[in-house]
Amino acid sequence: QKEVEQDPGPLSVPEGAIVSLNCTYSNSAFQYFMWYRQYSRKGPELLMYTYSSGNKEDGRFTAQVDKSSKYISLFIRDSQPSDSATYLCGFGGYQKVTFGTGTKLQVIP
Amino acid sequence: ETGVTQTPRHLVMGMTNKKSLKCEQHLGHNAMYWYKQSAKKPLELMFVYSLEERVENNSVPSRFSPECPNSSHLFLHLHTLQPEDSALYLCASSQSGLAGEETQYFGPGTRLLVL
Repeated sequence: QKEVEQDPGPLSVPEGAIVSLNCTYSNSAFQYFMWYRQYSRKGPELLMYTYSSGNKEDGRFTAQVDKSSKYISLFIRDSQPSDSATYLCGFGGYQKVTFGTGTKLQVIP
Repeated sequence: ETGVTQTPRHLVMGMTNKKSLKCEQHLGHNAMYWYKQSAKKPLELMFVYSLEERVENNSVPSRFSPECPNSSHLFLHLHTLQPEDSALYLCASSQSGLAGEETQYFGPGTRLLVL
């Protein structure tokens, strides 16, 4: 079993749609949970991070963590063409982060 | 200049060449990382430096040689690479050891092509 599983997509949605991106993990030792956004030919950009189960909201983005099910999600409301990118989930411990393969999202105007 | 910077942004080299990638962080962090990113694969951690000491080397071939002269600079020296080493090489930094501070910040990457 892979330590992290992420649906690779690609995912195409119309502008204004709600987007749901998901990752599952198997390592109970992970302490914190992150989402990164990576535009084409750029480095990953930290979008959100959280430590506990539940929801964390930042503008149009909501990160959800369910530690009991070992499942994290990123929701994007009112999606925009500028949200088109690859989204990476990350799971962290001391000085090490394990990443998913990324989900490529395309928001169509 | 702020954040994490990397040079060069693009590099084409032959299998017999020697080149170096440079990373500089302006965030006051004390840990730096090299990652390899290939198409359709997760980010692969190559090296971790904390307080300028190497703490992890994930079985990376010896044709990759890291150097961390101080907490703000990180190099990756390349020699006799193979075509399968073509990838995006990303540098990241973090402030390790403090709860809530281990999140990593990435540079833009160096796109490497080995011919």
